[in-house]
Amino acid sequence: DTAVSQTPKYLVTQMGNDKSIKCEQNLGHDTMYWYKQDSKKFLKIMFSYNNKELIINETVPNRFSPKSPDKAHLNLHINSLELGDSAVYFCASSQAGIENYGYTFGSGTRLTVV
Amino acid sequence: TQLLEQSPQFLSIQEGENLTVYCNSSSVFSSLQWYRQEPGEGPVLLVTVVTGGEVKKLKRLTFQFGDARKDSSLHITAAQPGDTGLYLCAGGLSRNDMRFGAGTRLTVKP
Repeated sequence: DTAVSQTPKYLVTQMGNDKSIKCEQNLGHDTMYWYKQDSKKFLKIMFSYNNKELIINETVPNRFSPKSPDKAHLNLHINSLELGDSAVYFCASSQAGIENYGYTFGSGTRLTVV
Repeated sequence: TQLLEQSPQFLSIQEGENLTVYCNSSSVFSSLQWYRQEPGEGPVLLVTVVTGGEVKKLKRLTFQFGDARKDSSLHITAAQPGDTGLYLCAGGLSRNDMRFGAGTRLTVKP
């Protein structure tokens, strides 16, 4: 069973469109995250959700909105897509503090805006 | 300016050589983690270090957390082609706030 699964794996769309990326974790973790990895492989945190409450929102445009229907899911909605949104987006989850447990990442969604 | 600076950015070595990569910051972290990422996949956790001066070994990999909890190093002994990948360090500012370095891309040639 995949611990953190993201769909779709690849997403190609035109500028101005609205799209969603789904993420599900079956680890029972209490916190989920979205990271953006740019072309230089730098991972930047976008959002973090703990018990359905937004904890971190790192200077992300409000075109991006996380939606968590339950503890096991954290979806990412993007409105009015721009060329600069092209990147790989990773979902991750964690539990019981970062001292003892690492983050478990999904395999990423490569978003290409044309 | 990134919170965590990793060096070198790129490293290409022959199989059997030893190597050390570094992760430095001016910030103090509650913990520091190392991940390895392969193409088309997400980062996979290698180790977490928590105590200043802590050393952890994972087979041929040795991880050290600086005494002041601001920096870390990863040493690989007798590198193998299977060690090829992007090595990322990540520092914990708080329980749910993990910041990543830009990574060291390691290539081990047979």
